[in-house]
Amino acid sequence: AQSVTQLGSHVSVSEGALVLLRCNYSSSVPPYLFWYVQYPNQGLQLLLKYTSAATLVKGINGFEAEFKKSETSFHLTKPSAHMSDAAEYFCAVSKNTGGFKTIFGAGTRLFVKA
Amino acid sequence: EPEVTQTPSHQVTQMGQEVILRCVPISNHLYFYWYRQILGQKVEFLVSFYNNEISEKSEIFDDQFSVERPDGSNFTLKIRSTKLEDSAMYFCASSTTYGQGLYEQFFGPGTRLTVL
Repeated sequence: AQSVTQLGSHVSVSEGALVLLRCNYSSSVPPYLFWYVQYPNQGLQLLLKYTSAATLVKGINGFEAEFKKSETSFHLTKPSAHMSDAAEYFCAVSKNTGGFKTIFGAGTRLFVKA
Repeated sequence: EPEVTQTPSHQVTQMGQEVILRCVPISNHLYFYWYRQILGQKVEFLVSFYNNEISEKSEIFDDQFSVERPDGSNFTLKIRSTKLEDSAMYFCASSTTYGQGLYEQFFGPGTRLTVL
């Protein structure tokens, strides 16, 4: 069965500092992996996706993630945090057999301090 | 850019009442999904739907829930007799049926259901 684990339910960084949100996946087949962002009282916005092409994936708002098969990881990074990055971030994996549902991690809330 | 839409944005109902949440998937998509997110928790899969039948459903999706594609554009989630614990944000999603598009779902903005 496929799953994702997000390490750290809360992460706090200073404005301008590196953002690192950790995600490890479990999958018996090559996974399709996603990062979503959710602002308070809003829906899910796709930040970026990995679909077995380049291992370093660039997304919106300056975020990127690197797929590392040896570590079964798909960590999300951003070189310099901005106050507007404060939100909930979900790592997700897509089931690749009948149904194709998306399985979400528990989420990491990012706080950005001025 | 095409997008998934959902109505209403917020639904308030009394416990025991029936509710229908509506979604209009992206027009050329044929796989449809419902997810829910209880406040402060992660997003959970409810059901997937393809070719007018359920492809997969979770344990949450019990007999109180049903889905329907009543016409060529809408996709609905019905809760027959709502419980307090059904209070959540419900997201509709859709995807194409070919290639890598199968694995990327486009999510709607959600319907916040409040059961009193």
